[in-house]
Amino acid sequence: SQQGEEDPQALSIQEGENATMNCSYKTSINNLQWYRQNSGRGLVHLILIRSNEREKHSGRLRVTLDTSKKSSSLLITASRAADTASYFCATYSASGSRLTFGEGTQLTVNP
Amino acid sequence: SAVISQKPSRDICQRGTSLTIQCQVDSQVTMMFWYRQQPGQSLTLIATANQGSEATYESGFVIDKFPISRPNLTFSTLTVSNMSPEDSSIYLCSVEDRGLGTEAFFGQGTRLTVV
Repeated sequence: SQQGEEDPQALSIQEGENATMNCSYKTSINNLQWYRQNSGRGLVHLILIRSNEREKHSGRLRVTLDTSKKSSSLLITASRAADTASYFCATYSASGSRLTFGEGTQLTVNP
Repeated sequence: SAVISQKPSRDICQRGTSLTIQCQVDSQVTMMFWYRQQPGQSLTLIATANQGSEATYESGFVIDKFPISRPNLTFSTLTVSNMSPEDSSIYLCSVEDRGLGTEAFFGQGTRLTVV
């Protein structure tokens, strides 16, 4: 079964607005990663946050991690139509050897 | 970062036939991963391909249905055998070229439709 649950499943916003996506997981993790997928193509890595980190930034992306709540959020600021894609969180468990992906959020940014 | 060439990008196949998907990496990597993504869903790991040994399959996936080859450190194939419409999915290969637990790089995916 999937480790991560994401919400919302779908999000539609206007260009320039911020988009926030959330991810929850169940087991202890080594790190948590966010990926983007355009139209059923290959996934592209966005950002990795380690279990001992609480917040990380990369350009217009901001990721937070709360290990006590086993949750993470991805914030995309000043969204653009080109940000339209599916976004997945993926966890790398403390004892495991592979990534486990969440269910994903479909983001639509309307021009 | 690793660059992965995956082919074919898409195919439409008759039920009962088999399709072999290829992934070529531009650097040597120890493990390659094969995922399935059913329509509108997340990624599910099929198996981990190790060079020089048999692939390690996840629960629910068997070698007879999804045979994998890994002849060297830069190449792997996944075959989807005796296909049925339920096998219609996107198949993706992936590597973590800086070691387990680091960022993963993906091929562009193979969109398979079985009719």
